[in-house]
Amino acid sequence: QSVLTQPPSASGTPGQRVTLSCSGSSSNIGRDYVYWYQQLPGAAPKLLIYKSDQRSSGVPDRFSASKSGTSASLAISDVWSEDEADYYCAAWDASLSRLVFGGGTRLTVL
Amino acid sequence: QMQLVQSGSELKKPGASVKVSCKASGYTFTAYPINWVRQAPGQGLEWMGWINTDTGSPTYAQGFTRHFVFSLDTSVSTSYLEISSLKPEDSATYYCAVTPGRQFGASALNPWGQGTLITVSS
Repeated sequence: QSVLTQPPSASGTPGQRVTLSCSGSSSNIGRDYVYWYQQLPGAAPKLLIYKSDQRSSGVPDRFSASKSGTSASLAISDVWSEDEADYYCAAWDASLSRLVFGGGTRLTVL
Repeated sequence: QMQLVQSGSELKKPGASVKVSCKASGYTFTAYPINWVRQAPGQGLEWMGWINTDTGSPTYAQGFTRHFVFSLDTSVSTSYLEISSLKPEDSATYYCAVTPGRQFGASALNPWGQGTLITVSS
C-alpha cells in the first residue's frame, strides 16, 4: 500500500479536461513539494512537474498542477491520445525519511 | 543534455548476484546525486535510495539495507547497483535517476535511465 494515494484509473475523451488527484499527509505533501511523473507504456518515467506546480522543460502547457494542504492534483486540459500513460505523484516523507510515490493512475483516452 | 544509460537485461538464478550500471553523460557527474528506483512487474515505483556522487556516500531506504549496494566509478561517470543473494521477488525493472539541482527541488528525479530488467528464476 502506497503512502500517497492515487486513484488507480482515470479516463477522458480527446479534448476533455482530466484531473488526477494525489492524497498524502502532513509528513509528506503537507510539508514538502510534490512531483509528478509520466510513464508511457514500456518507457521510463519522465518528470512532468517539479516543486508542486512547475512544468519541466518541454512539457506542454496543457499540463498544470497544484497543491493544497495534504493533497495535490495534476490537470491535463485538451487531453490527447498520446497522453495515455501511468501518472505518479511523489514527495519526500519526513517521518519515513524517504521519497514516497503514489500507486499511480492509469489514464485512458477513450 | 543530461543522459543516463543503463546496462542490459539480466536473467539470474536465485542466490546469485547482479551488478547494474548507470553511465552518465552531458554534465559533471559529481555535481548531482543519483537515485535508484525499483518497479516490480505491473507495479508502481519504489525509491531505493541515493548515492552522493561527490563523496560516494550511499543512503538506503528502509527495506533496501540488506543485499543492495550502491557504488560509483567517477573515472567513467558511472554508478552501480549491486544486488546479492537474489530472490525471485527481486525480479523488477531497476531505474537510476539524477536529482538535477536544488532549483528543481531536493527530490526531483530527472532524467531517468532507460531501466534494467532483472529476472530471477531457477
